[in-house]
Amino acid sequence: GAGVSQSPSNKVTEKGKDVELRCDPISGHTALYWYRQSLGQGLEFLIYFQGNSAPDKSGLPSDRFSAERTGGSVSTLTIQRTQQEDSAVYLCASSLGTGRNQPQHFGDGTRLSIL
Amino acid sequence: KQEVTQIPAALSVPEGENLVLNCSFTDSAIYNLQWFRQDPGKGLTSLLLIQSSQREQTSGRLNASLDKSSGRSTLYIAASQPGDSATYLCAVRPASGTYKYIFGTGTRLKVLA
Repeated sequence: GAGVSQSPSNKVTEKGKDVELRCDPISGHTALYWYRQSLGQGLEFLIYFQGNSAPDKSGLPSDRFSAERTGGSVSTLTIQRTQQEDSAVYLCASSLGTGRNQPQHFGDGTRLSIL
Repeated sequence: KQEVTQIPAALSVPEGENLVLNCSFTDSAIYNLQWFRQDPGKGLTSLLLIQSSQREQTSGRLNASLDKSSGRSTLYIAASQPGDSATYLCAVRPASGTYKYIFGTGTRLKVLA
C-alpha cells in the first residue's frame, strides 16, 4: 500500500491477556518506529528498528513489552499479561532511512483498551 | 533531558482568522523540528520539517519558523478554515545519536464556521 498500515485498528481485551499489534511499513522504508499515545499525554517512543535489528529499545516500559521485525518489513509489538495502564493508541511510523532529516510517516494506529 | 511544550493546549477561532501555534523545547541541540497534524482517530500527517540550519518553511497557508537558540518554533496558519480543525503536534529530533522524535502534547484547534 501507499502508506503505513496497522492492524487491528481497535482491540479490546481483558486484563491479563496477551495482545499482538501489527505494523506494515511503506515499501522500501528501512527504519520503523513504535510510539504510544495515552490519553492527555504526548507521544511516547517505545522502540526503533533499522532493518530487523532494534538498536534502541529504551522506551519499552517493562519486560511485558517486546517487538520484532522480520524480512525488514512487517513488525509486531507484543504485550504480555496486559494491564489497564496499557490502554492507549499504539502508533507505528516508518522512514526511508536514518538520515537526520528523514521525515517519519505514521499509520493510523491501534486503539487498545484493556478491561 | 529534552522536553517539548506546546501552548495553548486548545484554541477556538472563527473562520478566516490568522493564528499562531507555539512550541518550545529545552535543549537546542536538535537535528530538526517537525510539525504534524492529527485528526480524531487517525495517525499523524507531517506538515512541515525545519532542519536545524533553516529559519522557516512554508507550505500553502502554513508557515513554520524555528529559533533554535531560544528553543522556540511557531506554526502560522493563514486564513483559517473549518477543515483546519485538528490537533497540531510539534516534535524535535535530538542531535544525540538517537533516531526518535520527542513530542509535545499538542494544541487542539477548532475553527468555527
